[in-house]
Amino acid sequence: KNEVEQSPQNLTAQEGEFITINCSYSVGISALHWLQQHPGGGIVSLFMLSSGKKKHGRLIATINIQEKHSSLHITASHPRDSAVYICAVRSVNTGNQFYFGTGTSLTVIP
Amino acid sequence: DGGITQSPKYLFRKEGQNVTLSCEQNLNHDAMYWYRQDPGQGLRLIYYSQIVNDFQKGDIAEGYSVSREKKESFPLTVTSAQKNPTAFYLCASTRGLNVPGKNQPQHFGDGTRLSIL
Repeated sequence: KNEVEQSPQNLTAQEGEFITINCSYSVGISALHWLQQHPGGGIVSLFMLSSGKKKHGRLIATINIQEKHSSLHITASHPRDSAVYICAVRSVNTGNQFYFGTGTSLTVIP
Repeated sequence: DGGITQSPKYLFRKEGQNVTLSCEQNLNHDAMYWYRQDPGQGLRLIYYSQIVNDFQKGDIAEGYSVSREKKESFPLTVTSAQKNPTAFYLCASTRGLNVPGKNQPQHFGDGTRLSIL
């Protein structure tokens, strides 16, 4: 059983489309992270959330603590958004360890 | 610029050989982590260290060893006991696992891809 579940696993969109990636988790958390992994493999942190909503450029992340659910939205998608998006949570139950989803592979077609 | 440097980017291992992956950070972070990434799976924790000269096993520590002699460095050795070492290995760091107050994001290196010859 995975502590973090993401959907969809794969997503193909036309340039300009609005994109949503979902993340559900089953453990108590202190924070939820959205990460972006590019084809070369390096990972960058996009957002860290413990409540509410955050926005950075065309990216918006929301979290509902009661429902243990988070969404990552990309508005006006662009081919350079093509990457794997990973949801990760920092657990309060196991020494503040991080648990990771399997990732959503996004391809944006021009 | 502060960050995490992993080397090499690609590594090949012969059967029965130990190999060491390097991870160096200049972020002055206390906590460092090693993860393994396999296709279709989330990152899995191999080892982590909260402080110099101390480290803890993660979920998949068998066949791996680490050391933390310096704050900046957390090398991972993949031993011959690791029967399926082919994977992508990521090193990460945070200010600390139990830093009070605001949560800290993880910073990641660019990874090392290990393959068996």
